Amino acid sequence: GAVVSQHPSRVICKSGTSVKIECRSLDFQATTMFWYRQFPKQSLMLMATSNEGSKATYEQGVEKDKFLINHASLTLSTLTVTSAHPEDSSFYICSARDQDRRIAFFGQGTRLTVV
Amino acid sequence: AQSVTQLGSHVSVSEGALVLLRCNYSSSVPPYLFWYVQYPNQGLQLLLKYTSAATLVKGINGFEAEFKKSETSFHLTKPSAHMSDAAEYFCAVTEEGGKLIFGQGTELSVKP
Repeated sequence: GAVVSQHPSRVICKSGTSVKIECRSLDFQATTMFWYRQFPKQSLMLMATSNEGSKATYEQGVEKDKFLINHASLTLSTLTVTSAHPEDSSFYICSARDQDRRIAFFGQGTRLTVV
Repeated sequence: AQSVTQLGSHVSVSEGALVLLRCNYSSSVPPYLFWYVQYPNQGLQLLLKYTSAATLVKGINGFEAEFKKSETSFHLTKPSAHMSDAAEYFCAVTEEGGKLIFGQGTELSVKP
């Protein structure tokens, strides 16, 4: 099956710093990738849709200046949490859409803790 | 807009018993439906998908789901629960553009 690799799996950063999370599709090209945030014991909340070569589309209520998304190639999208604060601590998950099989495959997730 | 409702945030079964996780959807177009499983501190793994072919879909780990248009349901079943099935399960429907709309999730516990 297709594999989506997300790094890092865990990161602890100081308040005010920025953190970059990478999402790679390893065996298919993904023109579209999605970034989700998940709070404990809750479902996934879509943050933004990342399209290769164009600007990301953010969901309502998501700060685009805080959560910077770059999709520079067909296999890589990055999410940068800028000037992180403790309330940004969460589990972030990416997914990449395989157009041919019409399936979204998920990365392993990144546990971000801001101290 | 599409939506998904999972009935029961927590389901507990005994090992060897039938697993039934309920999912109802709302969609204005023929839907693509999915079940994903999530283990603690991990991403989501695809269990199975419905894409307008056979209404009974078989997935990994012995799970299957039946698409019932008349009931707008896509319930997930497994004849005999195993301890390793304990996890969080999410039903999802595809929205235009490929976005997935998730249900609230159902936590499955398996008792020895």
